[in-house]
Amino acid sequence: GEDVEQSLFLSVREGDSSVINCTYTDSSSTYLYWYKQEPGAGLQLLTYIFSNMDMKQDQRLTVLLNKKDKHLSLRIADTQTGDSAIYFCAERRWDYGGSQGNLIFGKGTKLSVKP
Amino acid sequence: AAGVIQSPRHLIKEKRETATLKCYPIPRHDTVYWYQQGPGQDPQFLISFYEKMQSDKGSIPDRFSAQQFSDYHSELNMSSLELGDSALYFCASSLEGTGSYEQYFGPGTRLTVT
Repeated sequence: GEDVEQSLFLSVREGDSSVINCTYTDSSSTYLYWYKQEPGAGLQLLTYIFSNMDMKQDQRLTVLLNKKDKHLSLRIADTQTGDSAIYFCAERRWDYGGSQGNLIFGKGTKLSVKP
Repeated sequence: AAGVIQSPRHLIKEKRETATLKCYPIPRHDTVYWYQQGPGQDPQFLISFYEKMQSDKGSIPDRFSAQQFSDYHSELNMSSLELGDSALYFCASSLEGTGSYEQYFGPGTRLTVT
């Protein structure tokens, strides 16, 4: 199957860490992405990781990958009110037949940051 | 840095009309993807082009067609519009030929069908 699953809501206090979780199903090597979408806006690429990596850190963002469980998480340190948005996990569909890889998205996690 | 440009940003059409959405990928990017995002939904892949050739199709209705031109811009043509076509349409581009798999999205075109 091609399901990417995420919890729908997360609420944290300003200054705390946020952890957004995602599971994917593709058993082959793939790329996994995190996008941020603010209301009425486009999708902003935050970071991505190849499935043979365990971790990737970029300033306040840390991505952890558990390949055995096909579990991906995005940790946002020192969460700010400006981080309030919907966060989408996405998996690249890998086709060795020559076509390029479109993304399969989860339903998105709405992060609310309370002051 | 240059981003993906989409036009128009907003479009209102009536049922059974046609619409054309335009996408200008990041310069030197060789791959364009079109996605549709319904209200409160996740983006769904429609169609993609690599080096001006159609490379893959997703859940794109037969009423829709797309092409990529010699200058790499792409257009999504939508005919016989239905109320259910109201959505945010995103274009994304990437540079696949060098093994870079970062897909950058444009701001989207919000299509409202009345």
